Amino acid sequence: SSELTQDPAVSVALGQTVRITCQGDSLRTYYASWYQQKPGQAPVLVIYAKNNRPSGIPGRLSGSTSGNIASLTITGAQAEDEADYYCTSRDTSGIHVFGAGTKVTVL
Amino acid sequence: QVQLQQWGAGLLKPSETLSLTCAVYGGSFSGNSWNWIRQPPGKGLEWIGEITHGGGTNYNPSLKSRVIISADTSNNQFSLKLTSLTAADTAIYYCAGGRRQVFPFSSAWVYWGKGVLVTVSS
Repeated sequence: SSELTQDPAVSVALGQTVRITCQGDSLRTYYASWYQQKPGQAPVLVIYAKNNRPSGIPGRLSGSTSGNIASLTITGAQAEDEADYYCTSRDTSGIHVFGAGTKVTVL
Repeated sequence: QVQLQQWGAGLLKPSETLSLTCAVYGGSFSGNSWNWIRQPPGKGLEWIGEITHGGGTNYNPSLKSRVIISADTSNNQFSLKLTSLTAADTAIYYCAGGRRQVFPFSSAWVYWGKGVLVTVSS
């Protein structure tokens, strides 16, 4: 199986921009999806299919990929963006793999 | 508005079998991928497996020998069985689903259950 590597934690000042990265060989083949999870809640899909947002997800969240690195960018971070963010992708055998998650703190 | 409602036993003993069911309300079972995902307390997410409306399954290789995911399409439900439990299986178990994505896209699990905490302890 393939691993996805994420930074454990990042912080961002209110209103500033932060990029969360996810690195893995499978990202050269499959696009990542991104999930946001707040304490005590189920995860929420925020980015899928290259850079699509489900209904209700604010436009300040966006996704991109370059080589084997997928990124989730929060432009103009708000207090409600403070959460854990998980990337996921399929590996070459077709199974889904999660990154370990990145804790985003909004200062 | 699609909602997932899940249920099952929350306290099990080592060597017992976990059995959870997830019902899909307000939407179609077909055309979607239905998944089980778990999260040990204070840790990250782990994908367990998926079933499509056609009944095809994929499992995490690390759990494959102990997992069965099945579907009851007449009742819009899918289920998880995990055998030979140990303390390492203690986790919140989520059901999740969404439109099955074609290559090269991966997942789009827009529907999630609230999760069931399963504790394995003697």
